[in-house]
Amino acid sequence: GAVVSQHPSWVICKSGTSVKIECRSLDFQATTMFWYRQFPKQSLMLMATSNEGSKATYEQGVEKDKFLINHASLTLSTLTVTSAHPEDSSFYICSALLRAYGYTFGSGTRLTVV
Amino acid sequence: AQTVTQSQPEMSVQEAETVTLSCTYDTSESDYYLFWYKQPPSRQMILVIRQEAYKQQNATENRFSVNFQKAAKSFSLKISDSQLGDAAMYFCAYRSGGNQFYFGTGTSLTVIP
Repeated sequence: GAVVSQHPSWVICKSGTSVKIECRSLDFQATTMFWYRQFPKQSLMLMATSNEGSKATYEQGVEKDKFLINHASLTLSTLTVTSAHPEDSSFYICSALLRAYGYTFGSGTRLTVV
Repeated sequence: AQTVTQSQPEMSVQEAETVTLSCTYDTSESDYYLFWYKQPPSRQMILVIRQEAYKQQNATENRFSVNFQKAAKSFSLKISDSQLGDAAMYFCAYRSGGNQFYFGTGTSLTVIP
């Protein structure tokens, strides 16, 4: 089946540094990928829609300069959290749109900023 | 704007019994998709079942079935013969014709041995 590989699964970084999270579609081409953020015991909140070869579309309230999204190929989308702060600590999940199935999700990345 | 509401933050069921998780949504669209996703402690999102709005027949996947009431904008999930492995967070989700995706707030299901 269609698999989305996300890594790292867990990252700890110092406040002020940047962290890159990768999301790869392993056996299919994903022209559209999505990035979500999930706080403990809460739902997934869509942050942005990533389209291959074009600029990402950000949801209202999401800082595009802080959460940089690049979708340079049909199999890779990256989310870079720039100048991370403790309040950016969260669980980040990517997903890819599969027209036949809906969405398939990566395994998520737990970001801890200290 | 589309909204998805899950009114049951927590539910519990005895092993081998049946449980129903509720979901309602609000939309002005006629063409859309509805999903139930399961998120176990590993936090991997797993598709449980999906329903196309244009289909009147309720979707079924083994022990999982839905009761889709389009006019009432209701999309409940029934889990039959509950198993310990069914314990997880369950999210109802709505996908619009424009591929935007909205999640409910989730229902935490506990299965009692």
